Amino acid sequence: GAGVSQSPRYKVAKRGQDVALRCDPISGHVSLFWYQQALGQGPEFLTYFQNEAQLDKSGLPSDRFFAERPEGSVSTLKIQRTQQEDSAVYLCASSLRDRGLVTEAFFGQGTRLTVV
Amino acid sequence: AQSVTQLGSHVSVSEGALVLLRCNYSSSVPPYLFWYVQYPNQGLQLLLKYTTGATLVKGINGFEAEFKKSETSFHLTKPSAHMSDAAEYFCAVSGLSSGSARQLTFGSGTQLTVLP
Repeated sequence: GAGVSQSPRYKVAKRGQDVALRCDPISGHVSLFWYQQALGQGPEFLTYFQNEAQLDKSGLPSDRFFAERPEGSVSTLKIQRTQQEDSAVYLCASSLRDRGLVTEAFFGQGTRLTVV
Repeated sequence: AQSVTQLGSHVSVSEGALVLLRCNYSSSVPPYLFWYVQYPNQGLQLLLKYTTGATLVKGINGFEAEFKKSETSFHLTKPSAHMSDAAEYFCAVSGLSSGSARQLTFGSGTQLTVLP
C-alpha cells in the first residue's frame, strides 16, 4: 500500500491476556518506530528498528513489551499479560533513511488497545 | 536530553482569525523541529518541518512556523482559520536517542477549536 498500515485498528483485551499488534511500513523504508499515545497525551517513543536490527528499545516500559521485525519489513509489537495501564493508541511510523537522520516519519493510523 | 512544551492544551479561534499555537523546545543537539496534525481516530500527518536553512518554514494547508533559536521556539501560525483546521496539533523535536538514532519527542498537544 501507499502508507503505513496497522492492524487491528481496535483491540479489546482482558487483563492478563497477550496481544500482538502489526505494522506494515511503507515499502523500502529502512527505519521503523513504535510509539505509545495515552489518552490526551503526545506520542512517546517505545522502540526503533533499522531494517531487522532493533537498535533502541529504551522506551519500552517493561519486559512485558517485546517488538520484532525479523525480515526488515513487517513489525510486530507484543504485549504480554496486559494491564490496564497499557491502554493506549500504539502508533507505528516508518522513514526512508537510516539511523542518524530521521527527517520525516510517516505514521500509521494506530491501534487503539483497551484493556478491561 | 530533549523536551517539548506546548503552551495551551486547548485553543479556540473564530473562523477567519489568526491561528497561533506555541511550542518551545530544549535539545542538546541542533534540533530538527516538526509540527504534526492529528484528526480524530487518525494517525499523525506532517504539517511542516525545519531541519536547516531558512528559519521560516511553510507547510501544507497554509500553515507556517518560524524557528527562533534565541527563544528556543517554533510557533505554528496560519493567517486565517478554517473550520477544517479543527484538530489536535503536536510539536516535536528530533534528537539523538540512546541508540544514536534520531527519535521524535512530542509535546502534549494542543486541541484547536474553530468557532463559526
